[in-house]
Amino acid sequence: DGGITQSPKYLFRKEGQNVTLSCEQNLNHDAMYWYRQDPGQGLRLIYYSQIVNDFQKGDIAEGYSVSREKKESFPLTVTSAQKNPTAFYLCASSGWRTEAFFGQGTRLTVV
Amino acid sequence: RKEVEQDPGPFNVPEGATVAFNCTYSNSASQSFFWYRQDCRKEPKLLMSVYSSGNEDGRFTAQLNRASQYISLLIRDSKLSDSATYLCVVNRGGGNKLTFGTGTQLKVEL
Repeated sequence: DGGITQSPKYLFRKEGQNVTLSCEQNLNHDAMYWYRQDPGQGLRLIYYSQIVNDFQKGDIAEGYSVSREKKESFPLTVTSAQKNPTAFYLCASSGWRTEAFFGQGTRLTVV
Repeated sequence: RKEVEQDPGPFNVPEGATVAFNCTYSNSASQSFFWYRQDCRKEPKLLMSVYSSGNEDGRFTAQLNRASQYISLLIRDSKLSDSATYLCVVNRGGGNKLTFGTGTQLKVEL
């Protein structure tokens, strides 16, 4: 089955730790995106990538990093510089100017 | 001005009502438009694409007005199961960056 997979579903991070969220797609999409959603709020774009080995900052990139070494994969690292990382993180992919498909999301909590 | 703007609501409507949402976008070069539905604590899912000529899918009708730079979603005969947040999505022209509105919350009540 084609789709987009995020893991883990739930993630707990201690203060000062870096954590990496996984996002894999087998839809052969060139574009991939990371969004953050806080309770009762809309989606905010963290980073996006239109092609392998290239990515651009979104609206709230500070404290986050990404890589795009393979077309299928777009991992997001939440660094210790992100002061308020507790949120719902959504990864998506799309073809050229087509609709986006989302993974089921990762809920990150700082403990 | 935000790239994509929506009225956050909530819109509380009785079952069977007709409800309409609008969404405005700032980039006149935007090429693709979509409506997504998001249920509480779930990922957004595509409801429908929006075409220049307007399109309908059952009780749902989407319209695009390029001159005024807005898209709309009309829901007829609302059901309790339509309660969700509806997100407007615009693909910016000149690239492949999808921008989401903050969403409009709909609550359909008995």
